[in-house]
Amino acid sequence: DAGITQSPRHKVTETGTPVTLRCHQTENHRYMYWYRQDPGHGLRLIHYSYGVKDTDKGEVSDGYSVSRSKTEDFLLTLESATSSQTSVYFCAISDFGGLGQPQHFGDGTRLSIL
Amino acid sequence: AQSVTQPDIHITVSEGASLELRCNYSYGATPYLFWYVQSPGQGLQLLLKYFSGDTLVQGIKGFEAEFKRSQSSFNLRKPSVHWSDAAEYFCAVGTNTGNQFYFGTGTSLTVIP
Repeated sequence: DAGITQSPRHKVTETGTPVTLRCHQTENHRYMYWYRQDPGHGLRLIHYSYGVKDTDKGEVSDGYSVSRSKTEDFLLTLESATSSQTSVYFCAISDFGGLGQPQHFGDGTRLSIL
Repeated sequence: AQSVTQPDIHITVSEGASLELRCNYSYGATPYLFWYVQSPGQGLQLLLKYFSGDTLVQGIKGFEAEFKRSQSSFNLRKPSVHWSDAAEYFCAVGTNTGNQFYFGTGTSLTVIP
């Protein structure tokens, strides 16, 4: 299995608090992604990164920010969590020769905002 | 805009029976197509992908998929299903820029003995 670690795996927090999710890879892949998975929606892209300090928005980026200061780490931050951000979050990585399609996924972080 | 449709929310098959999961896409150019599988509590695993060339692609775990441009489809097949194939299956479409990538809403597969 590809070396992707998401932390934490589970988190419960309150509305209005900041939350940071971490994705760590040991594959030295260029592309990293954050998705959220919700029933009836499949997976939706939040943000992605195509290199250190290079990031861009995805389909559902409002309320989220990301940072990538090292190749191996991609952080997702909810500045002020809302109940609508309760979801399962997946990190993915890829080295598809520049195509950037996600190849390997982490095991997910289940986030509950009360 | 691109989109992916998986018409079947849930499918039940008997162990040993054949399987076909449907996927239709909407995209103006030649798409890059993918199938993923997700077991409960886990992330997605790439089963197979189509970029170009032979329209019948082979994947892991005995799965295959056929790209049919005329039908805008990329259906996943397996000749004989095993109980361990019970999972959620996602079809996805991407572009050659890699900056846009869309998943279908998934098909849940139940395998009965």
